Amino acid sequence: KAGVTQTPRYLIKTRGQQVTLSCSPISGHRSVSWYQQTPGQGLQFLFEYFSETQRNKGNFPGRFSGRQFSNSRSEMNVSTLELGDSALYLCASSLAAGDEQYFGPGTRLTVT
Amino acid sequence: DQQVKQNSPSLSVQEGRISILNCDYTNSMFDYFLWYKKYPAEGPTFLISISSIKDKNEDGRFTVFLNKSAKHLSLHIVPSQPGDSAVYFCAATYNSGGSNYKLTFGKGTLLTVNP
Repeated sequence: KAGVTQTPRYLIKTRGQQVTLSCSPISGHRSVSWYQQTPGQGLQFLFEYFSETQRNKGNFPGRFSGRQFSNSRSEMNVSTLELGDSALYLCASSLAAGDEQYFGPGTRLTVT
Repeated sequence: DQQVKQNSPSLSVQEGRISILNCDYTNSMFDYFLWYKKYPAEGPTFLISISSIKDKNEDGRFTVFLNKSAKHLSLHIVPSQPGDSAVYFCAATYNSGGSNYKLTFGKGTLLTVNP
């Protein structure tokens, strides 16, 4: 069974631009969560989607948004990029709430 | 407010010895705890978990201990191997109602196992 895939793996953007990251969960998994990893803050929860509905959201500004499609694939969007948005963005999927999450390799975003 | 704390940013041990990674939490609602291992350029990999109804869970070389009264958990790796060198994240969660579910992570501990 294929694991969680994320595209692109690396991305360089400039301040003020917007970016869309994509995540394909493990087949059959309906829950997708997004995390931001930075050296100083570790892994921080962004949001979680289940059956196309956002069920939980972390403490991030409204510039961070996401969605999930009927095939469980998910995208997250960051608008008006800031230098501090440079991070590794990780997507994780699970069968359902409460199950162990399986992470993708992440998208490394650099904002210059 | 950091609800899950890993106070040791790094730990170095000799191959064959025991590695003990510690984690403290402040939210008494947490009832499920997980450990993840992360290699550079890869996503975290689930290692082992423990429910709050238990105080110990074992899986091969890995054992997690939970002390609810102290709000403390630890991961023991015995014997440690060079391939265990990675960043270890402690995570916690609870069911906040309905189907809500999110993981709160610590900042991680870099374990280096020296041959």
